[in-house]
Amino acid sequence: GENVEQHPSTLSVQEGDSAVIKCTYSDSASNYFPWYKQELGKGPQLIIDIRSNVGEKKDQRIAVTLNKTAKHFSLHITETQPEDSAVYFCAAAGGNQFYFGTGTSLTVIP
Amino acid sequence: DTAVSQTPKYLVTQMGNDKSIKCEQNLGHDTMYWYKQDSKKFLKIMFSYNNKELIINETVPNRFSPKSPDKAHLNLHINSLELGDSAVYFCASSQTGTGGSPLHFGNGTRLTVT
Repeated sequence: GENVEQHPSTLSVQEGDSAVIKCTYSDSASNYFPWYKQELGKGPQLIIDIRSNVGEKKDQRIAVTLNKTAKHFSLHITETQPEDSAVYFCAAAGGNQFYFGTGTSLTVIP
Repeated sequence: DTAVSQTPKYLVTQMGNDKSIKCEQNLGHDTMYWYKQDSKKFLKIMFSYNNKELIINETVPNRFSPKSPDKAHLNLHINSLELGDSAVYFCASSQTGTGGSPLHFGNGTRLTVT
């Protein structure tokens, strides 16, 4: 089955700096890569996703890059704000199966 | 107008009891899931149903039994609860299709077994 690794497990940045979270996957059949943000006491919420036929996608301060050859994808958050503090999960999916990374706890220091 | 709603939000019970968690989605999706999130935040798939048919059944004790009366509902019944069952359980839904579509999660049920 698919194996998704995510790094780092914790990340602290100063407000206004950038944050980068990286994930690798093992199954070349995976073709969809969503990123989720989970705030305390809530369920994970989709923040951005990318499909295997695209190398990069951006939505305001958030961007995701995908390297299919190397089987890795990354989340980039620019101009971080305190409300970006949360746990972030990457996932790799093929069909109905979603495999999640182990999460990154991001703290943005005001 | 919550997209994926699950009840109850908190569930505290004693070992050996039987409990149920209910989930409903109003997104018109055809696939629903149960995930377990432990204290380290790992999200582990338990079950998935597509149009009321079980399609994913990971290695989960048979004390856990999902039931899908229709494609908008997926309930989870747990028999003979154990301390190790304490976790947050998330229901989710998605729409099957080519190219992938995202999971939509409920806000979770925090189960505490004492």
